[in-house]
Amino acid sequence: EIVLTQSPDFQSVTPKVRVTITCRASQSIGSSLHWYQQKPDQSPKLLIKYASQSFSGVPSRFSGSGSGTDFTLTINSLEAEDAATYYCHQSFSYPLTFGGGTKVEIK
Amino acid sequence: QVQLVQSGAEVKKPGASVKVSCKASGYTFTTYGISWVRQAPGQGLEWMGWINTYDGNTNYAQKLQARVTLTSDTSTTTAYMELRSLRSDDTAVYYCARRSSEVDYWGQGTLVTVSS
Repeated sequence: EIVLTQSPDFQSVTPKVRVTITCRASQSIGSSLHWYQQKPDQSPKLLIKYASQSFSGVPSRFSGSGSGTDFTLTINSLEAEDAATYYCHQSFSYPLTFGGGTKVEIK
Repeated sequence: QVQLVQSGAEVKKPGASVKVSCKASGYTFTTYGISWVRQAPGQGLEWMGWINTYDGNTNYAQKLQARVTLTSDTSTTTAYMELRSLRSDDTAVYYCARRSSEVDYWGQGTLVTVSS
């Protein structure tokens, strides 16, 4: 099973700063890594697919990078509405797995 | 637009079974598979399994394989998740989600509470 380790677990930041979340895979997964945003009491929403491809309708301040085992989600100029938990997810091999999540709080 | 509408909340006793439905619309049902993911209260996302809606092939998380069955009905464009021998730690929100390789659209979630 491929284990995805996210860091940090929690981040409290002020608006307009840049936020970086990392996801490390226990083995190489190519670019089969996707990022989701989940707000309280809502379903997750796809932000980035295949490490760096923005999903339709996602604001341009969200971007992704990486390949192999190390991946990054960047939120440029954080906005209040970005308060959420962010998850990475690999579709490289079964069983599919998710990272543990990173909660972003707005100060 | 793509929509996945799930059945309503359930309360079950330990040892019982639950079957959650997921009605898909806005796309060709058999072109995408359906993944099922659950989230225990205050916890992260756990992948449960996936069904190929074209041919019915499935893949399950090993820890649930003995208790879960995924099915789909192409005539009604509905996917189903049945979980048997329920335990208190199965209390969670259960999501269906459309998947080709990445999961893109998610249902609204179904809360299943297991309590005596």
